[in-house]
Amino acid sequence: AAGVIQSPRHLIKEKRETATLKCYPIPRHDTVYWYQQGPGQDPQFLISFYEKMQSDKGSIPDRFSAQQFSDYHSELNMSSLELGDSALYFCASSPSKGTGESPLHFGNGTRLTVT
Amino acid sequence: GESVGLHLPTLSVQEGDNSIINCAYSNSASDYFIWYKQESGKGPQFIIDIRSNMDKRQGQRVTVLLNKTVKHLSLQIAATQPGDSAVYFCAENTGGGNKLTFGTGTQLKVEL
Repeated sequence: AAGVIQSPRHLIKEKRETATLKCYPIPRHDTVYWYQQGPGQDPQFLISFYEKMQSDKGSIPDRFSAQQFSDYHSELNMSSLELGDSALYFCASSPSKGTGESPLHFGNGTRLTVT
Repeated sequence: GESVGLHLPTLSVQEGDNSIINCAYSNSASDYFIWYKQESGKGPQFIIDIRSNMDKRQGQRVTVLLNKTVKHLSLQIAATQPGDSAVYFCAENTGGGNKLTFGTGTQLKVEL
């Protein structure tokens, strides 16, 4: 079965640079979520989109922004990168139109390293 | 969820034994709970879910128990196998939409 696809798998950037992470949800899933996971930590919710509109917002820094496109893929844009932004970034998708009735399906993440 | 930094709680079991992983959730209004398994370098993988109108749900080799009175969730894995070695997270839907809040993970180590 098709899964959530994230690209790139690994990304190395320097401080103050920008980065763009991409997420392709499972076909017919209309909701995408972004999570950040530091080493040995639990995933922290950043932001979610349903039908191209932001549906919920978590602990996403102002330096980050995201959007969902007409084909439902999503991009997380990160600017003025800091060392503390080094983490795994996961995208997840679900088909439930944000009603809390089905689990999120996660991609394998993008490992961002800021040097 | 609370973080324990680089030192995850660890559960070590012998192959073939049953494993029980516990989780305390924070929001009494949460109505949907999920257990995820995360292997190194991979994203969280769905194992089993339960809604707040249930107190037990069984899957293949796994059972989830929900005690709303004390806000406690547990995952039982029967006949634990080496392939079960991973970090396990509970997650709660904190009301509205599908946003999940993850609890602190537990590292399960299966010894041969």
